[in-house]
Amino acid sequence: QVQLVESGGGLVKPGGSLRLSCAASGFTFSDYYMTWIRQAPGRGLEWVSYISMSGSTVYYADSVKGRFTTSRDNAKNSLYLQIYSLRAEDTALYYCATAEYAVPAATLSFVDWGQGTLVTVSS
Amino acid sequence: DIQMTQSPSSVSASVGDRVTITCRASQHISSWLAWYQQKPGKAPQLLIYAASSLYNGVPSRFSGSGSGTDFTLTISSLLPEDFATYYCQQTNSFLPLTFGGGTKVEI
Repeated sequence: QVQLVESGGGLVKPGGSLRLSCAASGFTFSDYYMTWIRQAPGRGLEWVSYISMSGSTVYYADSVKGRFTTSRDNAKNSLYLQIYSLRAEDTALYYCATAEYAVPAATLSFVDWGQGTLVTVSS
Repeated sequence: DIQMTQSPSSVSASVGDRVTITCRASQHISSWLAWYQQKPGKAPQLLIYAASSLYNGVPSRFSGSGSGTDFTLTISSLLPEDFATYYCQQTNSFLPLTFGGGTKVEI
């Protein structure tokens, strides 16, 4: 069955960098858009970014644009999120999820989710 | 940017109750809306996509309706496992995939 396992979270000082990974299995990774969503402690869900099947299209939330970079390696069935210039407000549980792309509406619904990796930004 | 506003932010209900949650978009989003359920300590799960289509395996007591700017999620008869937080999300990939603030359904 579909399995998504995030890793790479941890405690980082403000201004630092981190690279999150999401290892996918149980499905044909290259057939799916993928997405990152985060959830600050005790707060709601915030969409972060998505990436197309080939990686040619990446879209970011305004709140992370310029500091976050999403990429994928289809040969390794892996999704990545590189985070730069970390701020306290980036503290959150970061989820990766598969995103089903529906035509012709060009919509994305998030179907399978990992359990998340926690990023804590604090001095 | 699109804002998604859910109401109420929390609702107290009993097993067997009918519960309705609303989601309002700040601009017209056709039927580009999904609903998710999240239980404490767990990842969210997709319930409904395209405003009213039930995702695979989701019980029929869940239903969604609406189009344009106003949407609703209805649970026809609450079961104990339905006590959770529910989120709406606009799903048009040419726009930010914004979530609503969530509605907690509690006993």
